[in-house]
Amino acid sequence: EPEVTQTPSHQVTQMGQEVILRCVPISNHLYFYWYRQILGQKVEFLVSFYNNEISEKSEIFDDQFSVERPDGSNFTLKIRSTKLEDSAMYFCASSDRTRRDTQYFGPGTRLTVL
Amino acid sequence: KQEVTQIPAALSVPEGENLVLNCSFTDSAIYNLQWFRQDHGKGLTSLLLIQSSQREQTSGRLNASLDKSSGRSTLYIAASQPGDSATYLCAVGDTRGTPLVFGKGTRLSVIA
Repeated sequence: EPEVTQTPSHQVTQMGQEVILRCVPISNHLYFYWYRQILGQKVEFLVSFYNNEISEKSEIFDDQFSVERPDGSNFTLKIRSTKLEDSAMYFCASSDRTRRDTQYFGPGTRLTVL
Repeated sequence: KQEVTQIPAALSVPEGENLVLNCSFTDSAIYNLQWFRQDHGKGLTSLLLIQSSQREQTSGRLNASLDKSSGRSTLYIAASQPGDSATYLCAVGDTRGTPLVFGKGTRLSVIA
């Protein structure tokens, strides 16, 4: 069965460094999402992407964050200058409107900012 | 602003028991509701999705119900097994394609 993949599974970085988290959504899906989960807290929405542009973003998704779909398969989340509070599990998800909007999640990237 | 609450926060049951997990949401004007399973430190596995026009969905030993007017959903797990031990998350979508709003989850432990 097709699945969403994410790399790396764990990323450790120094505060102030840039990180890029990568996702490969399910191939025929059209909607892409990034969520994050700080340890012990709820899963929170960051941004959604459709038709090569951001369709919605939360207040968390400030100027430090950006998303890109650089080619036909990858979907990336960039954090320009990481802060300690960016430490979290980052999940990519995708959905296909013909399957009633079930969102399929990847396994996540654990980001640790030191 | 939509808020999703899950009760209880944690539940421990002996193997073989049937159990119910609860989810409530503040704005009943939802498009769909999705139940997920999350193993410790891992990703989210979609279990069931219920459209707002549906009352329930079933998959194997799992049955999810939706009462939109009262803002509630339940996840029923029959004949629980130790392998069911995980955190179960409820999430609602307000309109088609919009981001999901998650509850904090119920951490289930099934004791052999």
